[in-house]
Amino acid sequence: AQTVTQSQPEMSVQEAETVTLSCTYDTSESDYYLFWYKQPPSRQMILVIRQEAYKQQNATENRFSVNFQKAAKSFSLKISDSQLGDAAMYFCAYSLEYGNKLVFGAGTILRVKS
Amino acid sequence: GAVVSQHPSRVICKSGTSVKIECRSLDFQATTMFWYRQFPKQSLMLMATSNEGSKATYEQGVEKDKFLINHASLTLSTLTVTSAHPEDSSFYICSAREQGRNYEQYFGPGTRLTVT
Repeated sequence: AQTVTQSQPEMSVQEAETVTLSCTYDTSESDYYLFWYKQPPSRQMILVIRQEAYKQQNATENRFSVNFQKAAKSFSLKISDSQLGDAAMYFCAYSLEYGNKLVFGAGTILRVKS
Repeated sequence: GAVVSQHPSRVICKSGTSVKIECRSLDFQATTMFWYRQFPKQSLMLMATSNEGSKATYEQGVEKDKFLINHASLTLSTLTVTSAHPEDSSFYICSAREQGRNYEQYFGPGTRLTVT
């Protein structure tokens, strides 16, 4: 079974600084999808970024980028120029097929200090 | 963007009663919906996959007779917690996969269930 591990229960970052959230996963598949979701206090899940395993190029979305290391089964999220609105719980997730069921990591609480 | 709603957003029920939670895709058709459960400060755990017009597929360890899922139309899936007990208190989140084009998955805002 696929598993997703987030080893950082909580992280803090100063406003305008950069922070990296870690995620590792375990799978025997070669094609799959990885995601980072943000869950603010409202509890609404928001897709931050996604990565297709067959793509070597790391995905980027404005201030958010990933470092995808397929051989190491690592998928970290870098948030640049952190803003107060970035404070939330961040979940790393895995899916064997796009749009199919997601396996989530335990989550990392990100606190942004002003 | 695609919107998924859940109703109710919060519900309190007495132990032994049943409660129904609705998940609706408001502006798209969803052949597949997913039901997740989230305990406080914990991750989301998939409970079941709901396909329109067919029986739901439950994850291992989820009691299908306790958590009844119905997906009667392309825009509505319901989760009924039967004979609820305090340990069923949790945050229930649904997501809906858009039919056709891009299979993007959209999440509802969740339902807080408290069983007293």
